[in-house]
Amino acid sequence: DAKTTQPNSMESNEEEPVHLPCNHSTISGTDYIHWYRQLPSQGPEYVIHGLTSNVNNRMASLAIAEDRKSSTLILHRATLRDAAVYYCILSGSGNTPLVFGKGTRLSVIA
Amino acid sequence: GAGVSQSPSNKVTEKGKDVELRCDPISGHTALYWYRQSLGQGLEFLIYFQGNSAPDKSGLPSDRFSAERTGGSVSTLTIQRTQQEDSAVYLCASRVGGSAPYEQYFGPGTRLTVT
Repeated sequence: DAKTTQPNSMESNEEEPVHLPCNHSTISGTDYIHWYRQLPSQGPEYVIHGLTSNVNNRMASLAIAEDRKSSTLILHRATLRDAAVYYCILSGSGNTPLVFGKGTRLSVIA
Repeated sequence: GAGVSQSPSNKVTEKGKDVELRCDPISGHTALYWYRQSLGQGLEFLIYFQGNSAPDKSGLPSDRFSAERTGGSVSTLTIQRTQQEDSAVYLCASRVGGSAPYEQYFGPGTRLTVT
């Protein structure tokens, strides 16, 4: 699987938007961009995924660069419950296992 | 609906003992995965099952680790002759089968401590 690069940590104020970047310069044409997050003492949970177009769901938005070499996860209004490690993962279609990197640890300040 | 469940939630065992960890996937999910997460580390893939196909065991760290999935549902991960480096949180995930990029649903994990 292609490699992703994320900042080790980020900090945000509560109720402010958060932009979590991810670089994936070696992405292949068939790789989907997935985001998962892991809250303290819990298993990871799915956030969002996309291929080429920007995506929105109830949790977040995913902005994908035109050349697909980077993407940004956007939390529109951070809450204390959004404090977690966020993982950006590339995966082809199908059942292949996810390859987790170190992710970005997001801290949210009240 | 019910999510992925794992048992036990915590397991403390002595070095050299065997342990069994259980995963109940979401009903109807044909793909099942085991991962582990050591303290302060990322998640490491161990093994995955897809329907009736032979499992992908490429992530198992040694032959002391094995897993089975009975009847296409419940899975058991067995670690024989446990070592201290086996201490970790063992996570199970399941997903709908097929080629579309469906998300994986993770259980809460089993925290294994080898003393």
